Amino acid sequence: NAGVMQNPRHLVRRRGQEARLRCSPMKGHSHVYWYRQLPEEGLKFMVYLQKENIIDESGMPKERFSAEFPKEGPSILRIQQVVRGDSAAYFCASSGQGGNQPQHFGDGTRLSIL
Amino acid sequence: QQQVKQSPQSLIVQKGGISIINCAYENTAFDYFPWYQQFPGKGPALLIAIRPDVSEKKEGRFTISFNKSAKQFSLHIMDSQPGDSATYFCAASRPDSWGKLQFGAGTQVVVTP
Repeated sequence: NAGVMQNPRHLVRRRGQEARLRCSPMKGHSHVYWYRQLPEEGLKFMVYLQKENIIDESGMPKERFSAEFPKEGPSILRIQQVVRGDSAAYFCASSGQGGNQPQHFGDGTRLSIL
Repeated sequence: QQQVKQSPQSLIVQKGGISIINCAYENTAFDYFPWYQQFPGKGPALLIAIRPDVSEKKEGRFTISFNKSAKQFSLHIMDSQPGDSATYFCAASRPDSWGKLQFGAGTQVVVTP
């Protein structure tokens, strides 16, 4: 499967725990975007990364959230000390170039906070 | 604030009919307008996209119409099929925003047999 791979598909955490969401972009893609989708809403941009660099994190909450895209391995979205309001579907998209180029999405991680 | 406004919220159309979804935007700096289709439990899939230098783009049964002066664009699904039942999102991005997409709230389309 050459598409964008996200894991886990479903993640359940208790309040105060940490959540780690992984995204492997399409082969050959080095640009990764993370979006969050609340129930019955559209997707909201969180962060844009290139290999080893965070380019735009303007949509990401300043506290508890962080993202990385190391030279080797998947991109990681990390949420520390989760709260009920973090419950959402988190989608990763990748593109071959930055800018206004087609973004291809994974099937998301559904995060539920107990 | 919602930079891209999408309507209707939901739509029921008979098989063979035309589904029409509309989006409006305020920011004239937007220059890329994609449409995505999303099935339950899946990620959005790119359907078709347009740039403001053209007024219409067609791919199979899907057509985007773009009205730059009105700052509106729409998706038409011709000869709608039950397999088209999904949620559709319009989006827009600016050339100086690294491709960051601003999404509409989505339209749930149900095609009845």
